[in-house]
Amino acid sequence: EDQVTQSPEALRLQEGESSSLNCSYTVSGLRGLFWYRQDPGKGPEFLFTLYSAGEEKEKERLKATLTKKESFLHITAPKPEDSATYLCAVHVNQAGTALIFGKGTTLSVSS
Amino acid sequence: DGGITQSPKYLFRKEGQNVTLSCEQNLNHDAMYWYRQDPGQGLRLIYYSQIVNDFQKGDIAEGYSVSREKKESFPLTVTSAQKNPTAFYLCASRNRDRGNSNQPQHFGDGTRLSIL
Repeated sequence: EDQVTQSPEALRLQEGESSSLNCSYTVSGLRGLFWYRQDPGKGPEFLFTLYSAGEEKEKERLKATLTKKESFLHITAPKPEDSATYLCAVHVNQAGTALIFGKGTTLSVSS
Repeated sequence: DGGITQSPKYLFRKEGQNVTLSCEQNLNHDAMYWYRQDPGQGLRLIYYSQIVNDFQKGDIAEGYSVSREKKESFPLTVTSAQKNPTAFYLCASRNRDRGNSNQPQHFGDGTRLSIL
């Protein structure tokens, strides 16, 4: 069964304290891995797509990386406005165009 | 501005009542999706449609129905058969893949459904 697991469930950081969020997956035939940011009461906002092991994408303080078994979302020198829930999702060959989501990591950054 | 509009933002259902959640997109996307989000759980797929007049069941379709009569619209009906409808409902759409790219899904801002 295709599965996506995110850790930790919650992460508290001080402003400027860099860290990483993990997304591990066991799927048959990965077609793409997606990272989203979700603010309370809002829909997820697309951040990155990763396709193959070794690939990296960056946007401001965020950098996403991909291996054959997991993806990391690195947050460098976070600010309070980075506080949100970060969702990881995979697109697999057998799922049509639908995504399989992890449960998310809720990040809180205090000043 | 192009985007996905979900309405209403909040909805209350009485026992035995069917309710319909609206999802409209002006992005000219072919595919549309409905997800349910519960606290502490990931998004779970209810239904999806890759083309007008066609749709497929997702993982938790029981107690829900959809229609896709127009490209821009994909309404979700929560029927009285859905015994635990309280959740945050998210609609998404996706453009057709081009070349080797895998287009992301884009989401609306959700409808929160509660039981009276």
